Amino acid sequence: QQQVKQSPQSLIVQKGGISIINCAYENTAFDYFPWYQQFPGKGPALLIAIRPDVSEKKEGRFTISFNKSAKQFSLHIMDSQPGDSATYFCAASSHGSSNTGKLIFGQGTTLQVKP
Amino acid sequence: GAGVSQTPSNKVTEKGKYVELRCDPISGHTALYWYRQSLGQGPEFLIYFQGTGAADDSGLPNDRFFAVRPEGSVSTLKIQRTERGDSAVYLCASSPNSGNTIYFGEGSWLTVV
Repeated sequence: QQQVKQSPQSLIVQKGGISIINCAYENTAFDYFPWYQQFPGKGPALLIAIRPDVSEKKEGRFTISFNKSAKQFSLHIMDSQPGDSATYFCAASSHGSSNTGKLIFGQGTTLQVKP
Repeated sequence: GAGVSQTPSNKVTEKGKYVELRCDPISGHTALYWYRQSLGQGPEFLIYFQGTGAADDSGLPNDRFFAVRPEGSVSTLKIQRTERGDSAVYLCASSPNSGNTIYFGEGSWLTVV
């Protein structure tokens, strides 16, 4: 029940295209859903995050779509650029009674944007 | 410094040896987390500190792993009797308080040979 399942494992997109990465969760107590971007040899960096009271959040070229009933959320990268080539992780956490804020991460998606 | 600082960046040790990994969080951040990331996997939670106390250590794999944060700032992750399976990147993260965005360091890459 603590798992977050991410797909696809890898993705190749042409420059200018749309990259879409999907995640599904089971724990209905999760109430915070961030996406992290990680370059080789670096730590994960927060890209964008959403809470379940909204269905969509957009920041620049990055959009999260959230479907509470389906327990799914996705990251859309519009106008994908070669510099977006990285590994992307979805995550989830619960800020309920435990209030630790610890993140449960998906398995990651390696994105390659071809010039 | 501006971000979470971790030392060493790389550590190679022999099986059975003791290792310490250090984390210096962003100044003023009260919450500190340790995660472990194996090759090709997402980070896995190890332990969370709020101030000086370990509020949640449910992710520590066994009693060979221990972490401290004696003054509520710098934290040290300690691994005794290292095993080859401990080889991974150990990531530290901090946040202003639990529940806010957490910021990761670049990690300490541990290789046990």
